Amino acid sequence: DIQMTQSPSTLSASVGDRVTITCRASQAIGSYLAWYQQKPGKAPELLIYRASSLEGGVPSRFSGSGSETEFTLTISSLQPDDFATYFCQQYKSHVLTFGGGTKVEIK
Amino acid sequence: QVTLKESGPVVVRPTETLTLTCTVSGFSLSNARMIVGWIRQPPGKALEWLAHILSTDEKSYSTSLGTRLSISKDTSKGQVVLSMTNMAPLDTATYYCGRMGVRGTTHRYFDVWGRGTLVTVSS
Repeated sequence: DIQMTQSPSTLSASVGDRVTITCRASQAIGSYLAWYQQKPGKAPELLIYRASSLEGGVPSRFSGSGSETEFTLTISSLQPDDFATYFCQQYKSHVLTFGGGTKVEIK
Repeated sequence: QVTLKESGPVVVRPTETLTLTCTVSGFSLSNARMIVGWIRQPPGKALEWLAHILSTDEKSYSTSLGTRLSISKDTSKGQVVLSMTNMAPLDTATYYCGRMGVRGTTHRYFDVWGRGTLVTVSS
């Protein structure tokens, strides 16, 4: 299976900060990567697909980049609604795998 | 409006078989691009993909859990059913179903999720 490793596992930041989360794949996956946001007690929501395409309705402060084995999710100016946990997921393989998650906390 | 809703038991005893149903609305399981999958999340932990099924009835299963899982669909009812045998306390988790394939069957990310159902395994 393709292993997805996210870093950091926890991130403390303030409103207005620029935040970057990294996701590394154990083998090349092209651009077959999605990012999700999950708030406590809620289902995840899709933010980014195909590594850098913004899902409809997602604020433009979210962006994704990268290819093959290294990917990043960037929040250009952190807003109060963005404090949540973020997961990456690869879909290069028919066996889908998620990263371990990055919790963005209030500093 | 596209929605998915999970249903099933709240508590399962160890060694029992869990059967969960995902009822979809707003799209058809016969649509060539639609894929429905199951994901679980133990309390405080990461997401884990379990299985998915395409309109063609093609199925994929988690490598680590595959022998315990079975997925099927009833297109006329708009339902996808997941069964997991030999349940154990470590299988306690929120189980979600989700839709994939909206941009083509190679795009296997979840664009719509159900609200999830918490299943506790306890004697």
